[in-house]
Amino acid sequence: GENVEQHPSTLSVQEGDSAVIKCTYSDSASNYFPWYKQELGKRPQLIIDIRSNVGEKKDQRIAVTLNKTAKHFSLHITETQPEDSAVYFCAASGWGKLQFGAGTQVVVTP
Amino acid sequence: EAGVAQSPRYKIIEKRQSVAFWCNPISGHATLYWYQQILGQGPKLLIQFQNNGVVDDSQLPKDRFSAERLKGVDSTLKIQPAKLEDSAVYLCASSLDTGNTDTQYFGPGTRLTVL
Repeated sequence: GENVEQHPSTLSVQEGDSAVIKCTYSDSASNYFPWYKQELGKRPQLIIDIRSNVGEKKDQRIAVTLNKTAKHFSLHITETQPEDSAVYFCAASGWGKLQFGAGTQVVVTP
Repeated sequence: EAGVAQSPRYKIIEKRQSVAFWCNPISGHATLYWYQQILGQGPKLLIQFQNNGVVDDSQLPKDRFSAERLKGVDSTLKIQPAKLEDSAVYLCASSLDTGNTDTQYFGPGTRLTVL
């Protein structure tokens, strides 16, 4: 089955700096890669996703890149703000089943 | 559009007791998922329904966990008997269809503590 690894587990950045989270996956059949943001005690919320027919997608301060050959994808947050502090999860979907990474705790300090 | 609803939000039980969780998906969503999220980990899929049929239950501990979605809308997840290691947040999610790239929308979850 699919296995998703996510790094780093924690990330501390100064407000205004960029944050990058990286994930690798094992199943070459995976073709959908969403990113979820989960604030403490709240539900995971989709922030951006990418499908395997594109290499990069951007939505305001958030971007995701996908390298299918190397089987890795990354989340980039630019101009970080305190409200970006949360746990971020990557996931990969093959055969209709989402496999999540272990999460990255992002702390943005003013 | 109303989101995925779950109840209860919190539950505390003794080990070996039984517990049930309820989920109401977004209206019109054919696919419903139950995930277990242990503290500090990502959600892990327990079971996936399309309408009222099971698509995937390969990671459901069937000796103690059961789930149903009788009319293809609401779903219940039951644990009987509970163990200490079942302490987790149980998340319900729904998507429009079972397409590989369909967005899954999560409910607020039920936090279960087993003492």
